[in-house]
Amino acid sequence: DAGVTQTPRHEVAEKGQTIILKCEPVSGHNDLFWYRQTKIQGLELLSYFRSKSLMEDGGAFKDRFKAEMLNSSFSTLKIQPTEPKDSAVYLCASSLINQDTQYFGPGTRLLVL
Amino acid sequence: AQSVDQPDAHVTLYEGASLELRCSYSYSAAPYLFWYVQYPGQSLQFLLKYITGDAVVKGTKGFEAEFRKSNSSFNLKKSPAHWSDSAKYFCALEGGSNYKLTFGKGTLLTVTP
Repeated sequence: DAGVTQTPRHEVAEKGQTIILKCEPVSGHNDLFWYRQTKIQGLELLSYFRSKSLMEDGGAFKDRFKAEMLNSSFSTLKIQPTEPKDSAVYLCASSLINQDTQYFGPGTRLLVL
Repeated sequence: AQSVDQPDAHVTLYEGASLELRCSYSYSAAPYLFWYVQYPGQSLQFLLKYITGDAVVKGTKGFEAEFRKSNSSFNLKKSPAHWSDSAKYFCALEGGSNYKLTFGKGTLLTVTP
C-alpha cells in the first residue's frame, strides 16, 4: 500500500507569490490533516477534513491559507500571498474514519524569500 | 482547552542506558495519548498509543509508555537505548470526538555509541 504522498518535496517562493502544495492520502482513508512544523512553534494544525468536508480550518491561519479536498484521494493547500514567516515544513496526514492513528507524508519544505 | 508539555527539549545518553522521555498533558476528560518519532530528514512515524485499559502500552521498536492519571503523564521508555534511537520524539493528545491531535514541542534524543 502506498503511504501518504506529498508534492513538491521542496518549494522556494518569493514573498507575495501564490503556492499550492499537494497531498494524496492513504487509499481508503477518510480523515485528512494539514500541519505546519517549525522549530519554534512545533506542529500546528492548519486544516482537518472528514470525508471531504472541512471540519476545522486552523483559526489563525484562515486569512492566507486555504485547504481544499477536491476528491477523496487528493487535497491541496494554497498559501496566498506567501510571507517569509511561512517558511516551514508542511505535513499532510491521513487516517481511517474512527481510527486514531495518523499516517504522515514526507512533507514539503517551503522557503519564502 | 487541551495541551501537551514535553519539558525536555534535548536528552542525551549513552548507548545501553535506559531512556525515559517525559510528557504531561492537560485535558478535562479521558485523553487518548500517542507517541510519534521523527528520524532526521524523515516524517513522523507512529510508535504507540494509549486509549484505555492497561496503563503500560507497548509499541514498535521496543518502546513502551506508561499512562499515569494521577499526575497526567505519559512517559516513553526503552531499555536499553540504541544509537539508532536518536531522533525527535513527539507526544500527542487527542481529546473529544474530532480525532484532532495536539502535539508537544518534541524532545530531541541523542544516543551516543
